[in-house]
Amino acid sequence: DTAVSQTPKYLVTQMGNDKSIKCEQNLGHDTMYWYKQDSKKFLKIMFSYNNKELIINETVPNRFSPKSPDKAHLNLHINSLELGDSAVYFCASSQDLGKREGTQYFGPGTRLLVL
Amino acid sequence: SQKIEQNSEALNIQEGKTATLTCNYTNYSPAYLQWYRQDPGRGPVFLLLIRENEKEKRKERLKVTFDTTLKQSLFHITASQPADSATYLCALDPRGAGSYQLTFGKGTKLSVIP
Repeated sequence: DTAVSQTPKYLVTQMGNDKSIKCEQNLGHDTMYWYKQDSKKFLKIMFSYNNKELIINETVPNRFSPKSPDKAHLNLHINSLELGDSAVYFCASSQDLGKREGTQYFGPGTRLLVL
Repeated sequence: SQKIEQNSEALNIQEGKTATLTCNYTNYSPAYLQWYRQDPGRGPVFLLLIRENEKEKRKERLKVTFDTTLKQSLFHITASQPADSATYLCALDPRGAGSYQLTFGKGTKLSVIP
């Protein structure tokens, strides 16, 4: 069973389009995240979402918006795609917020290429 | 400014030797530090967590140390094998105790040569 899954695995699209990436976790975790990994392999947090509390990395453009229909899902919607959005996007989840040291479980990544 | 630095982008070692990877940080006071492994085309996988009051943690051939005075963590793989070849990332909680977010280093790509 896949713990954290993402769809699609690959996404090729034109500049200016709007696209969504879906993420689901079956671990019963309370917190979910979106990360961006650029061509230099630097993994950077974009959002964390816990119990309807959204924490946004201030450097993320407002063209990016997370949407959580329920605790097990955190989707990422991107408006007006730009060339610089090309990267691998990882979803992750963690539990046990009370201890505040939850290890994170990552999905397989979505490779986005904007042409 | 706050920084996490991993000593080198790439490290090549001979099979059977001990690999030592370094993670240094500045202007953070993390409650814990974590190490992850990332294989090409895959997401990071958690390996070990060490808390600020722990000096050393072991798991099979892996050992992590944490020196909050030096602001440094060392990650050791003993008796390294070609299967250990991967990128290793260190991560810490940027806001100390009470935060569940992680900030990652850029990683060190380890290649174990047969």
